[in-house]
Amino acid sequence: NAGVTQTPKFQVLKTGQSMTLQCAQDMNHNSMYWYRQDPGMGLRLIYYSASEGTTDKGEVPNGYNVSRLNKREFSLRLESAAPSQTSVYFCASRNGTGIFYGYTFGSGTRLTVV
Amino acid sequence: AQSVTQLDSHVSVSEGTPVLLRCNYSSSYSPSLFWYVQHPNKGLQLLLKYTSAATLVKGINGFEAEFKKSETSFHLTKPSAHMSDAAEYFCVVTLYSSASKIIFGSGTRLSIRP
Repeated sequence: NAGVTQTPKFQVLKTGQSMTLQCAQDMNHNSMYWYRQDPGMGLRLIYYSASEGTTDKGEVPNGYNVSRLNKREFSLRLESAAPSQTSVYFCASRNGTGIFYGYTFGSGTRLTVV
Repeated sequence: AQSVTQLDSHVSVSEGTPVLLRCNYSSSYSPSLFWYVQHPNKGLQLLLKYTSAATLVKGINGFEAEFKKSETSFHLTKPSAHMSDAAEYFCVVTLYSSASKIIFGSGTRLSIRP
């Protein structure tokens, strides 16, 4: 099925460990996004990539890095995990950056940092 | 400042009765507005969107929303609730002034009583 695929679905890290969350979309979308979801706070943008070869910071970028590997793939890296990064992470894509485009979301990665 | 407020964190209705999930926004420009649904342990799915065409927007699964500029509201309704509607619903506004910036409401959890 066409859509956004995230791996892994679940992960437990120790404080200070690093890991990369993977995201791939097969809809030929130009823009890709990483959000985190915390209770009562909706979704907050971490980083986005408006097109292949570009990345920009969102609302809460500290502690994260991203790579837009190609048009399909957009990864999120935690270099030194902290308990404050315990969250559910969603990757999303859309066909453009205009205000009329809706998002297609992946099913999420539930990350716990202990 | 632009913002979106979902007025109820939790709504509970009986199966077969109407659903009303309330959303108010604040924006200096004409916004695009979206409703997303998230079922447990799933990603977000687009329900419907308003993009300055008809003010009454019909979405999937019998949901609809009406854009009321004078009230700065975009409430989500459904005439008759079904058990499968139990989920979390997010109101989202995209800002005309910054196409990459969208704001998520904090979410409304909808429970359906048998």
